[in-house]
Order: sequence, then C-alpha cells, then structure tokens
Amino acid sequence: KQEVTQIPAALSVPEGENLVLNCSFTDSAIYNLQWFRQDPGKGLTSLLLIQSSQREQTSGRLNASLDKSSGRSTLYIAASQPGDSATYLCAVRAPGRETSGSRLTFGEGTQLTVNP
Amino acid sequence: NAGVMQNPRHLVRRRGQEARLRCSPMKGHSHVYWYRQLPEEGLKFMVYLQKENIIDESGMPKERFSAEFPKEGPSILRIQQVVRGDSAAYFCASSPHGDTQYFGPGTRLTVL
Repeated sequence: KQEVTQIPAALSVPEGENLVLNCSFTDSAIYNLQWFRQDPGKGLTSLLLIQSSQREQTSGRLNASLDKSSGRSTLYIAASQPGDSATYLCAVRAPGRETSGSRLTFGEGTQLTVNP
Repeated sequence: NAGVMQNPRHLVRRRGQEARLRCSPMKGHSHVYWYRQLPEEGLKFMVYLQKENIIDESGMPKERFSAEFPKEGPSILRIQQVVRGDSAAYFCASSPHGDTQYFGPGTRLTVL
C-alpha cells in the first residue's frame, strides 16, 4: 500500500528566503508525481507534474525534482513571497490506467508561512 | 472552458439526514474522482468513475456512501444518514483520459 509522507509539517520563513519541501513515498512504482497548492478553504491548484521518466520540472520560481528509486521528491521555492503562504501537497499516481491505476495518494501537506 | 464545478460549496445537515454533493466535470472529461479531506488530515481517495461505470470504489466506506456518474448530468456523491464523522471537505476531480486530474473547489459538509 502506497504511503506518502511530507516533511516538515509546517514551515515559517522570512520573505526572500529560498526553501525546500520534502516528499517521500514507499512504493517506487509510480506513474507520476504532482505538487499542489491549497489555500485555506479553497480547492487544489496543480503546480508541477513530473512523469516517472523525468527527473525535474520547473515553473517560474518553482522547481520539483524526482528520485523514483529512492522514493523522494523535493519542491524548491526560490525567493519566497508572502503570497506563497499556503499548504503544499504532494501526490503520487500508481501506474496503469485500469482499476486503481488512476487514483492519487496524497501526503498530509506542508503548511508554509512566508513572513513579510 | 470552465473548470470543475462543485455544488453546493457549503452544506449543513443534521445527523440522520441525507447529503447530495454534485460535481460537473470539465467539458470533454469523462473520468471523475472523489476525494475526502477530514479536518487536519490529507486528502483520501474515495471513488473513480467513468461515464455510467464505477471503476474503483475501494476508498469508499461500505455503508451509507454511494456515487454515480450518469450519461447525462453531473456526478453525484450521496451520503445517507449522515453522522458527525462525515464532516469534511469533499473534492471532485476530472480528467479527459484518466490521466492528469483537475480539481474542483470542494464541498464543505458540516453535520450538526
């Protein structure tokens, strides 16, 4: 059974700092890994999706890496801003397209606060 | 192309009542997934449906919960005889081919 863990559970940093969020998963047989952002009381916004064959993806100040063999992913946020404050969720998708192949297994998230 | 729509956004029910949560997928998407987020917990998969078929319901509680995705109209997640433990945010996601999932804003269910 796939389990996803995110460390730290909460993080508070001053504005401008670079930071790293960590995600680990127990079963390396994944189809892809996705990072989401969730604002309080809101839905999920997809930030980056990394296919199992890829090592990293970049979008603006965000960079996500994937080391499938060790079951780890990191989300790097450069030059953090107060608007980055949110909960960041990591989710992995199992391989295959039938039955359980499309479900996402989520970590419990890292709550980020960027202080002005 | 409008995003995934869920309604109502907030739903209050008394214990023993029924809750019906609706999800309209993005245009052209025939795959729908439901997830539940209990207070202070991560999102947990409940059920995966394709038009008129349940593909995977392994995350759905065995009793009181059901889901459907009819040929016409939205997907419905139905909770009968709600209890306080059902209070949570329920998220729907859709995808065109069972791949990348696009999430709706969620329905926040409160059971009094």
